[in-house]
Amino acid sequence: SQQGEEDPQALSIQEGENATMNCSYKTSINNLQWYRQNSGRGLVHLILIRSNEREKHSGRLRVTLDTSKKSSSLLITASRAADTASYFCATDKRSGANSKLTFGKGITLSVRP
Amino acid sequence: DAGVTQSPTHLIKTRGQQVTLRCSPKSGHDTVSWYQQALGQGPQFIFQYYEEEERQRGNFPDRFSGHQFPNYSSELNVNALLLGDSALYLCASSLRDRYTEAFFGQGTRLTVV
Repeated sequence: SQQGEEDPQALSIQEGENATMNCSYKTSINNLQWYRQNSGRGLVHLILIRSNEREKHSGRLRVTLDTSKKSSSLLITASRAADTASYFCATDKRSGANSKLTFGKGITLSVRP
Repeated sequence: DAGVTQSPTHLIKTRGQQVTLRCSPKSGHDTVSWYQQALGQGPQFIFQYYEEEERQRGNFPDRFSGHQFPNYSSELNVNALLLGDSALYLCASSLRDRYTEAFFGQGTRLTVV
């Protein structure tokens, strides 16, 4: 089953604009990670935010986490054509020392030059 | 520092055959997880290996089995292949006892005909 659900499913913006993607999940988590995937290849790790963190930045990326609403958002500022890809949120729920990532279906981002 | 490497990149098999996929984790990582990603979907957790033992398993039949070697590398075996096994198979490595990111390989594209 897929815990994370991203919203919107597809997003098309102009180069230079900001892109905001949302993720909701159902159960408590230890951390949440965002990934990018180009053309069905491997996943590139973007950012990890722990359950006790509310906001995190990395370059042009800003991630927020609201555990009371069980939601996260990924903001890409000043988008570039190279940002065109699928984006996934993945929740990490630990069971003892074991952990596994549960992914949503992803968001397809198209950045028009 | 080599990241996660997977082999082969592409594979075509016939229904009923068996397949073995290979993964070398990122240097310093001790845990390997395998995911299956069908077209247009998010990755689904298959299982996770640590200290050469399967520690967690997702909702996949026994046809899916794995192994981890003393050098932390891992194999995924699928027996009696079905058409529905056609997918991108992703390997992820991480550190078990820390809240660290999971890094993914480029995946193996398996096509069952």
